[in-house]
Amino acid sequence: ETGVTQSPTHLIKTRGQQVTLRCSSQSGHNTVSWYQQALGQGPQFIFQYYREEENGRGNFPPRFSGLQFPNYSSELNVNALELDDSALYLCASSLARGAASNYGYTFGSGTRLTVV
Amino acid sequence: AQTVTQSQPEMSVQEAETVTLSCTYDTSESDYYLFWYKQPPSRQMILVIRQEAYKQQNATENRFSVNFQKAAKSFSLKISDSQLGDAAMYFCAYRSFSGSARQLTFGSGTQLTVLP
Repeated sequence: ETGVTQSPTHLIKTRGQQVTLRCSSQSGHNTVSWYQQALGQGPQFIFQYYREEENGRGNFPPRFSGLQFPNYSSELNVNALELDDSALYLCASSLARGAASNYGYTFGSGTRLTVV
Repeated sequence: AQTVTQSQPEMSVQEAETVTLSCTYDTSESDYYLFWYKQPPSRQMILVIRQEAYKQQNATENRFSVNFQKAAKSFSLKISDSQLGDAAMYFCAYRSFSGSARQLTFGSGTQLTVLP
């Protein structure tokens, strides 16, 4: 059983640029969530995708967008990068339905984004 | 909206001793889940233990146990026989029982140091 894989592990971008982060969900999982974790803080929910559609969103502006593909992998896109976007971005996969959906999430090791 | 508070930014414990990490939360819901996650330097969030709010019995997982006080909205984690590998950032998290997204709401974390 494979876990959640995120790429790249580290990334440095310039303010105003655009970035795409990628996530491969755990085998058998059909839901992907993205979280932003600023240094020294707990993760903040960005959004969740199920069946290739966004089905929940946290308090993040529209320049944060995402995609989910038929194989349940996902992308997080951030446009017009700001210095405050510097953070660890975590992807988590889960099952949306059934008893196993209550067992929480499987997280990846994250992508460390630095905006300069 | 739900909030999760961890009032201990840092804790330390002697190897083989017991330590308790505190967590309080605020919600108007009656059914929900509570989690403790561990985040080592590898950055991956690892599920330590989970508790369903409708269960009165406190959850236990080997050396890890919780003290769940629903009326007080308190959810502390006890680590017995602490090991060097327990050193990490620990996050308390809340998740609604229902709703489409069922995202996790995290506290700000407690950095646990285990002293040899």
